[in-house]
Amino acid sequence: DSGVTQTPKHLITATGQRVTLRCSPRSGDLSVYWYQQSLDQGLQFLIQYYNGEERAKGNILERFSAQQFPDLHSELNLSSLELGDSALYFCASSVVKTGELFFGEGSRLTVL
Amino acid sequence: AQTVTQSQPEMSVQEAETVTLSCTYDTSENNYYLFWYKQPPSRQMILVIRQEAYKQQNATENRFSVNFQKAAKSFSLKISDSQLGDTAMYFCAFMPQGNNDMRFGAGTRLTVKP
Repeated sequence: DSGVTQTPKHLITATGQRVTLRCSPRSGDLSVYWYQQSLDQGLQFLIQYYNGEERAKGNILERFSAQQFPDLHSELNLSSLELGDSALYFCASSVVKTGELFFGEGSRLTVL
Repeated sequence: AQTVTQSQPEMSVQEAETVTLSCTYDTSENNYYLFWYKQPPSRQMILVIRQEAYKQQNATENRFSVNFQKAAKSFSLKISDSQLGDTAMYFCAFMPQGNNDMRFGAGTRLTVKP
């Protein structure tokens, strides 16, 4: 158990819809990262938050947005969903001193 | 921009044998971290081993060790005495120190055969 909690674990929705994925980082970690992993692909960095502020942005579509709340949990909002958005979405939190990321179990999104 | 390259999409090894997974990276940074993550069929991302660029000594974690060649920007993973449970995707990752922007390679799918 990494200590990072993601909900929901599985989500099936239709094209054009909007979903929200939620992540609670490990206790004490201020940074939250979001990654997308399409089928049999590597992890694509989407966005990073540190203590409520956006710190880095990767290949995140304009249809996607994220935020980190004062209690440090984060939400990734995906809108106008397309078939190609079907993927495993990982949240991770980091230990600043050691640099390693601790990953949640992921949220598997299926867009039909 | 930093890039991480894993040139072996798939590899296989017999149980109890040794296998080496390759990784190269490109960066202008001097201080950074390198990681190997394992993703078994459960899809959970599990840290296998980490290396700080300023350390010359290669990291070792039980049956897992790395060969870190900073000048060549190479970071290979050696798995000794391979076990069936080592079957997984292995991702090499790079993170500049103080940046926390971790970038991953495309992965190597390792199959351990009985």
